[in-house]
Amino acid sequence: EAQVTQNPRYLITVTGKKLTVTCSQNMNHEYMSWYRQDPGLGLRQIYYSMNVEVTDKGDVPEGYKVSRKEKRNFPLILESPSPNQTSLYFCASSLRSRGYEQYFGPGTRLTVT
Amino acid sequence: GENVEQHPSTLSVQEGDSAVIKCTYSDSASNYFPWYKQELGKGPQLIIDIRSNVGEKKDQRIAVTLNKTAKHFSLHITETQPEDSAVYFCAPVGDSARQLTFGSGTQLTVLP
Repeated sequence: EAQVTQNPRYLITVTGKKLTVTCSQNMNHEYMSWYRQDPGLGLRQIYYSMNVEVTDKGDVPEGYKVSRKEKRNFPLILESPSPNQTSLYFCASSLRSRGYEQYFGPGTRLTVT
Repeated sequence: GENVEQHPSTLSVQEGDSAVIKCTYSDSASNYFPWYKQELGKGPQLIIDIRSNVGEKKDQRIAVTLNKTAKHFSLHITETQPEDSAVYFCAPVGDSARQLTFGSGTQLTVLP
């Protein structure tokens, strides 16, 4: 089944404790992206990657890191999480030629206390 | 960057009625106009999209119309059903599709 998977689905952590949210897709998509979703603000792009070893900042990159060492994986790293990073996070992927057709993962609910 | 406004933020309709959600954008280079549906507890899913050289596209009960001159496009849902209740997002994008800017979302509730 074609899908985007994220782990963990739920995470409660404390300020300053490094964490990684994994994202993997099995559709051989070149493009991958991370979004955060907050009430009233819609989906805001954090980082995106057009291909392996190529990453770029989205609209809200501060406090986040990403890497794209393999085509299928695009982990999101919070090296020192803060309470304002409490949010619902989505990973998405698409063919580079069809960037408007993004496939989203199920989401990761992160709470930073 | 792209400035996207979506209205209304909430919309309640009676089952069987029609619903219309409007999206206004700023970047004249946008030429793909998708709509996504997000059901409770799930990620958004593309439900329909239109290219800039087309004025209207239909798929069963949903349709999208585009006014490129005025820089807005709309999602139309006819004969609404309870399963149409969800949050809908627009996300106009250009050819490069490097960055997607989503609208702030519309919570549609279909009342039985």
